[in-house]
Amino acid sequence: GAVVSQHPSRVICKSGTSVKIECRSLDFQATTMFWYRQFPKQSLMLMATSNEGSKATYEQGVEKDKFLINHASLTLSTLTVTSAHPEDSSFYICSASPLPGQGAPGETQYFGPGTRLLVL
Amino acid sequence: EDKVVQSPLSLVVHEGDTVTLNCSYEVTNFRSLLWYKQEKKAPTFLFMLTSSGIEKKSGRLSSILDKKELSSILNITATQTGDSAIYLCAVRRLAAGGTSYGKLTFGQGTILTVHP
Repeated sequence: GAVVSQHPSRVICKSGTSVKIECRSLDFQATTMFWYRQFPKQSLMLMATSNEGSKATYEQGVEKDKFLINHASLTLSTLTVTSAHPEDSSFYICSASPLPGQGAPGETQYFGPGTRLLVL
Repeated sequence: EDKVVQSPLSLVVHEGDTVTLNCSYEVTNFRSLLWYKQEKKAPTFLFMLTSSGIEKKSGRLSSILDKKELSSILNITATQTGDSAIYLCAVRRLAAGGTSYGKLTFGQGTILTVHP
């Protein structure tokens, strides 16, 4: 149980295009999902907290117009990197914590497999 | 601002060695500390610790929390090459409301390399 999926797993795009990444909790519901960015051999940097039915909360220094987050349902959050540039190339990971009573161990954040973005 | 510091940043050992990874934190309204292992993809959950002095164990891995010292250690005994990974420590504070859990603050990770 407690599986989180991400799609796509890898994407290569041209500079200036927009890229959408989906994060789904497959067997539990989560009102809150989290989006992280990770550079090689570095730790996870929290970009934003995605809240179902309301606006995302962005961490300091993260451009909300650049990284659009939509949390459409209790099992789906999307991150859109708008007008991507080479410096946006990174590993993007989402995570979610099951709601109490969901059957999966609560309070633990479960991570998706990540999306590797390469902007040419 | 919440802060998590891990040490060492990297560690190289040989198979069979025992390693101890450290994590110290500063967080307001501490709720829990979590350890993750990350190989090539996303982190996989190892342990969650909320109470001081109670060891959690899974095979050759064990972890314990010391709330007085604001720290935790992760021990790996009889290391194997498959233990090579980045080990991440994260802390969570109490979340406002009660319908979901708050964000995690991660340390910078310890890169463990186990040679045959």
